[in-house]
Amino acid sequence: DVKVTQSSRYLVKRTGEKVFLECVQDMDHENMFWYRQDPGLGLRLIYFSYDVKMKEKGDIPEGYSVSREKKERFSLILESASTNQTSMYLCASSQARGAANTIYFGEGSWLTVV
Amino acid sequence: GQQVMQIPQYQHVQEGEDFTTYCNSSTTLSNIQWYKQRPGGHPVFLIQLVKSGEVKKQKRLTFQFGEAKKNSSLHITATQTTDVGTYFCAKGSGNTPLVFGKGTRLSVIA
Repeated sequence: DVKVTQSSRYLVKRTGEKVFLECVQDMDHENMFWYRQDPGLGLRLIYFSYDVKMKEKGDIPEGYSVSREKKERFSLILESASTNQTSMYLCASSQARGAANTIYFGEGSWLTVV
Repeated sequence: GQQVMQIPQYQHVQEGEDFTTYCNSSTTLSNIQWYKQRPGGHPVFLIQLVKSGEVKKQKRLTFQFGEAKKNSSLHITATQTTDVGTYFCAKGSGNTPLVFGKGTRLSVIA
């Protein structure tokens, strides 16, 4: 079974702090994604990556950056956390480029910025 | 990315009643995928539809892809409390990432 592991399930951070959300997948998937989920807004794509050291902006990249130094690891970075970034963050991976590929999600990281 | 419209946003049903959620796009889709997210959980893949007019079944769940490949539906027959959760459709197009609908949250009253 594919496993996508997010390092932190629940975090509380202060406004202005730098926040790292880590994600690791164990199935040698090419593609990795970061989504944000908020009530009534569904799943919104923040950033994605189709290869190591490669990144592409999704629909809502403002206030975020990402890093993919190794194939299995994709990190989401909040340079200066703000209260409007309080949300659930979902990491995901898929085998290869192409819309026909199933996405596997991690369990999510609940971030509260105070 | 261009959204897919998913309706209704919420649905409350009595256990044993049927449930349907609809997904609509203004553009032709190469495929559509459906995911289920249980309360407190993460989205899990249910199925993918690729062919025009395709119908697939998983026990009490029936998935349809429209003839024009612009809409899809998920129908649950005789809902059970285990069906509770949010159902998302996601549209696929070329090499771009999946675009998810906002989801339909299903509540089942025992």
